[in-house]
Amino acid sequence: DTAVSQTPKYLVTQMGNDKSIKCEQNLGHDTMYWYKQDSKKFLKIMFSYNNKELIINETVPNRFSPKSPDKAHLNLHINSLELGDSAVYFCASSPRPTIGQYFGPGTRLTVT
Amino acid sequence: QKEVEQDPGPLSVPEGAIVSLNCTYSNSAFQYFMWYRQYSRKGPELLMYTYSSGNKEDGRFTAQVDKSSKYISLFIRDSQPSDSATYLCAMDRDDKIIFGKGTRLHILP
Repeated sequence: DTAVSQTPKYLVTQMGNDKSIKCEQNLGHDTMYWYKQDSKKFLKIMFSYNNKELIINETVPNRFSPKSPDKAHLNLHINSLELGDSAVYFCASSPRPTIGQYFGPGTRLTVT
Repeated sequence: QKEVEQDPGPLSVPEGAIVSLNCTYSNSAFQYFMWYRQYSRKGPELLMYTYSSGNKEDGRFTAQVDKSSKYISLFIRDSQPSDSATYLCAMDRDDKIIFGKGTRLHILP
């Protein structure tokens, strides 16, 4: 019955590797997001998709590439991981842009 | 000046007290004002949102917006230990949400 789910929950990897995080929502929402929460707990939007179309692409390195195969899924692929990528990544969804966002449990990424 | 300012705390209050959490903002373009609660190692959870100036009440929670002062507040009545969490204010513009840094709240039993 999980509304927004993410896999994996924890990800430990070495610098230079490529990794993916998956997100799925079963709420029927049209809009999905990726957020990054750093060690100081600051939550910042990275990407937003509405009906599979990219609508927000913040100043994020090109190594980060989102992909939305359908309205219920939004994945995040990260190439050439760096130490500074260590953070918690949250997926979220909402019926329309901005309002009423439901967050997933987060993926804790540690780059060593 | 940051768009959204929020005191990180921590804020410690005894159980049963009224808690007041606040944010200030600088951008008049913000339309919706939200409060999220985040427990340790969990995702943020939307508590309330308001569109205009004034008060909105939901159970023990009251959200207040003063657009003329660019100031929003969340009040928690009869605070409980289970209210201990980080509270983030958030505001929207241009289809994206800008979050405050969050205030850590501890309710002491």
